[in-house]
Amino acid sequence: SQKIEQNSEALNIQEGKTATLTCNYTNYSPAYLQWYRQDPGRGPVFLLLIRENEKEKRKERLKVTFDTTLKQSLFHITASQPADSATYLCAGTDGSSNTGKLIFGQGTTLQVKP
Amino acid sequence: DTAVSQTPKYLVTQMGNDKSIKCEQNLGHDTMYWYKQDSKKFLKIMFSYNNKELIINETVPNRFSPKSPDKAHLNLHINSLELGDSAVYFCASSQRRLAGERETQYFGPGTRLLVL
Repeated sequence: SQKIEQNSEALNIQEGKTATLTCNYTNYSPAYLQWYRQDPGRGPVFLLLIRENEKEKRKERLKVTFDTTLKQSLFHITASQPADSATYLCAGTDGSSNTGKLIFGQGTTLQVKP
Repeated sequence: DTAVSQTPKYLVTQMGNDKSIKCEQNLGHDTMYWYKQDSKKFLKIMFSYNNKELIINETVPNRFSPKSPDKAHLNLHINSLELGDSAVYFCASSQRRLAGERETQYFGPGTRLLVL
């Protein structure tokens, strides 16, 4: 079955460092991948979208890559701040339809320590 | 102004009861979704409507029935609630583009359902 997998272990880093989160997909080829941020008790908030024909996308301190050979997306936060602490969700389109169906990974919790 | 709103925010009920969750979006989007997020934070699609037409109907118990009175509203009715239904339910919306893609989804704040 189509899967999106993220490292379920929490990522702890020091303020100012670059956080790198990994998203792997298996058994299909998503047309695009999206990254969302989820804070405790809140709904996910869209951050970035990258298409399969794009290698890299940037938005302020955020950067996302899409490697179709490795079947992987990396999400980077540079100059991380304690306010970046949250759970980050990777989602891929369902490869078989244009219904907008997203397959989500289980999320990686990032903790940025001052 | 809240883009995607859900009511209620919390719902505590007994097993066997029937309950409804309501969702409204003021973004003018044509597609709405219901997701379930379990205790492991896994977010899973349940249903989706496009302009009041059901377009995604995942394998969920038929005790769950979505209803979309218009494209700005999507409700979820759950019959005969079970302990395993306890989770956070999120509503989301998106807009279909000319190429048929629906990209960014906007999520509501979630409804925390606890079945006792």
